[in-house]
Amino acid sequence: GAVVSQHPSRVICKSGTSVKIECRSLDFQATTMFWYRQFPKQSLMLMATSNEGSKATYEQGVEKDKFLINHASLTLSTLTVTSAHPEDSSFYICSARFPQGAVEAFFGQGTRLTVV
Amino acid sequence: GEDVEQSLFLSVREGDSSVINCTYTDSSSTYLYWYKQEPGAGLQLLTYIFSNMDMKQDQRLTVLLNKKDKHLSLRIADTQTGDSAIYFCAGGGKLIFGQGTELSVKP
Repeated sequence: GAVVSQHPSRVICKSGTSVKIECRSLDFQATTMFWYRQFPKQSLMLMATSNEGSKATYEQGVEKDKFLINHASLTLSTLTVTSAHPEDSSFYICSARFPQGAVEAFFGQGTRLTVV
Repeated sequence: GEDVEQSLFLSVREGDSSVINCTYTDSSSTYLYWYKQEPGAGLQLLTYIFSNMDMKQDQRLTVLLNKKDKHLSLRIADTQTGDSAIYFCAGGGKLIFGQGTELSVKP
């Protein structure tokens, strides 16, 4: 099946620094990618929908200046957590779909972010 | 907005059947999905059902869909210890997830 690669799988950063997470669709072109956040023992919360060549659509309550999303190409979307704080520590997962009408969404392996 | 609800825990004995339930609000979902997540890992698509179907069977997995009640279930036959994980149902255009059901399989 199709593969979505997410990098890094784990990152530890100091409070106040920024962290970039990459999501790549390895063998298909994804016009839309989704970014989720998951707290321990909880569900995936959709943060934003990333659209190639245009601005991301953020869900209510998600700070767009805090979580910068760039979808520069059909195979790459990035999420940058700016000025990270300990409360941003979480598991971040990206997802990509084939273009219009696709059944399946493919998920990256997730990134465990720890802010110290 | 869209909402998906699941029971949080299920414990079964090895060899028994497991049934995980899910209710949803977005009736416009074309497909409804079941994902499996093992500790510290991403999500694995287990199966999905098209919204105009009532049932789908895939080896040990059976999905039942009651559109009238907006109720989805996943049955795992002959549950094994390797099936222990968190199971998420999901649907809707934005792929909204339920809270996840933690399945514990005891030998």
